[in-house]
Amino acid sequence: AQSVTQLGSHVSVSEGALVLLRCNYSSSVPPYLFWYVQYPNQGLQLLLKYTTGATLVKGINGFEAEFKKSETSFHLTKPSAHMSDAAEYFCAVTYGNNRLAFGKGNQVVVIP
Amino acid sequence: GAVVSQHPSRVICKSGTSVKIECRSLDFQATTMFWYRQFPKKSLMLMATSNEGSKATYEQGVEKDKFLINHASLTLSTLTVTSAHPEDSSFYICSARARDSLLHGYTFGSGTRLTVV
Repeated sequence: AQSVTQLGSHVSVSEGALVLLRCNYSSSVPPYLFWYVQYPNQGLQLLLKYTTGATLVKGINGFEAEFKKSETSFHLTKPSAHMSDAAEYFCAVTYGNNRLAFGKGNQVVVIP
Repeated sequence: GAVVSQHPSRVICKSGTSVKIECRSLDFQATTMFWYRQFPKKSLMLMATSNEGSKATYEQGVEKDKFLINHASLTLSTLTVTSAHPEDSSFYICSARARDSLLHGYTFGSGTRLTVV
């Protein structure tokens, strides 16, 4: 099965500072990659995805991620954190039969 | 864009009873639906995958007789938790995917908070 690693369950960032969430996966075949955001007691909302083509992907709310095949990574960034970015973030990758494997998530706390 | 409606959002049931959770794709045909379980402050655990008109494929360790999944149409899948026990209390989330859905990714429902008392 696919393995997705997100380090640091809790990430604190100051308002206006860079948000960086790391995601690494284990696969010899490049999967499709996703970042989702979850607010309390809600489902998951797609932030961005990589399937093919340009490796730098821009998503909603000012987030972007870069697929680096050589590093098996898909790190998520946002130049300037906003209070509304406080949420849980999940990296996910596809594996057999179009299933999704999720990382453990990062709880982002934005400090005013 | 693609929308998935999941209900109920919250349900409390007595131990030993059954609970049905519905997942509907509102504006696309969901050829595949996925059911996840999420424990507090944990990631999503895939329970099963269902393709329209076929039996669901359950992940290892998931009791198929306890978690009944039906995907009878291209817009509706249901998860029935049978003979619920307090340890079944959790947040359940469905996800739907159309045949050529990479344009939209996987669309998730808003989740169902199940509490078994």
